[in-house]
Amino acid sequence: GAVVSQHPSWVICKSGTSVKIECRSLDFQATTMFWYRQFPKQSLMLMATSNEGSKATYEQGVEKDKFLINHASLTLSTLTVTSAHPEDSSFYICSATKLPNTEAFFGQGTRLTVV
Amino acid sequence: DQQVKQNSPSLSVQEGRISILNCDYTNSMFDYFLWYKKYPAEGPTFLISISSIKDKNEDGRFTVFLNKSAKHLSLHIVPSQPGDSAVYFCAASGGSNYKLTFGKGTLLTVNP
Repeated sequence: GAVVSQHPSWVICKSGTSVKIECRSLDFQATTMFWYRQFPKQSLMLMATSNEGSKATYEQGVEKDKFLINHASLTLSTLTVTSAHPEDSSFYICSATKLPNTEAFFGQGTRLTVV
Repeated sequence: DQQVKQNSPSLSVQEGRISILNCDYTNSMFDYFLWYKKYPAEGPTFLISISSIKDKNEDGRFTVFLNKSAKHLSLHIVPSQPGDSAVYFCAASGGSNYKLTFGKGTLLTVNP
């Protein structure tokens, strides 16, 4: 299967600071990547769709100014959590799909803890 | 409105027996279905998928069955192994869309 790499795997930051998470498709080009958030014992919640060369599409209830997404190339999407607060602490996961209606490949996830 | 439902939050089976995980969907536009396995603090791993033109797909110990009229699919794992213990997510997509809609997951525990 294809490889999607996510970095960092965990990060601890102070309240009020910003954190950037990277998602790379290592062996294929991805025009579309997705960012999810998972709370303990809950499903994956889609936050936004990252589109290469254009603005991200955010799901209802997700703050665009809080979660900045940049898809600068066909192999890299970044999620920046701005002015992080403890309630932003969560497990963030990215995914990429080669073609429509095919399997998505997920990154390893990033555990964010805001103290 | 939850378009993909996994009504059993957990399932416990004995090693060597069959595990059956169920999933229901409501959106008639879905035509591609997937199962993912997830361990804590890791990203989901793709297991098996099925297109709506089929009613069964098999890969080793894993078989997915699709009943379109009932809008229901199931994942069968046989024989179950302790290493299969994880959360299993059902997902669906449709309409030439990259986007996947996930169920809430079922925690499978396989006891030795």
